[in-house]
Amino acid sequence: EVQLLESGGGLEQPGGSLRLSCAASGFTFSSDAMSWVRQAPGKGLEWVSLIFAGGSTYYADSVKGRFTVSRDNSKNTLYLEMSSLRVEDTAIYYCAKTMDYGGGFDPWGQGTLVTVSS
Amino acid sequence: DIQMTQSPSSVSASVGDSVTITCRASRGISGWLAWYQQKPGTAPKLLIYAASSLQSGVPSRFSGSGSGTDFTLTISSLQPEDFATYYCQQASSFPRTFGQGTRVEL
Repeated sequence: EVQLLESGGGLEQPGGSLRLSCAASGFTFSSDAMSWVRQAPGKGLEWVSLIFAGGSTYYADSVKGRFTVSRDNSKNTLYLEMSSLRVEDTAIYYCAKTMDYGGGFDPWGQGTLVTVSS
Repeated sequence: DIQMTQSPSSVSASVGDSVTITCRASRGISGWLAWYQQKPGTAPKLLIYAASSLQSGVPSRFSGSGSGTDFTLTISSLQPEDFATYYCQQASSFPRTFGQGTRVEL
């Protein structure tokens, strides 16, 4: 069974940094693209970043230059380094396995809450 | 960026009803569209990918259609567990973008 488990969320001040992790199991992690998607409280879904199996990365304009996605295939773990955090980055952050065909996200982890507040 | 516009924003329905949600892309995305269901306090769940392919394990009362700019998600014979929020998402280009969501309520 494919499982994704995020960790690393918490309360951070504006301008601060956090690193999120997503531990993957049940599939060949190194072969699959992975994504981060976030959801602000009471709001819709916002795609944040994607990293392909080969290492190419893509970002939403709202986080470009502040967030960095990476992966450690030896640890089956996806990361999201977040810096220069803003109040508007407050959200639940989900990691998701990304389909090659169709481009959908499946499955998703349970999410980790990031709160940016002074 | 490709804008995804869903309609309606919310719909009231009863068990057994058929519900159709529309998603329109601001430019053509071929068939690169996915649909998700999200219930309160839980992560989204993939229902449909590539516009019309049913994800494994998803009941056959869910169906998707469309190509280019106009897409639909249909839930035939609504069940109690189907009351949720539904999102479309384009996978044609970066940045990936989602529709604003459609809430299906009793």
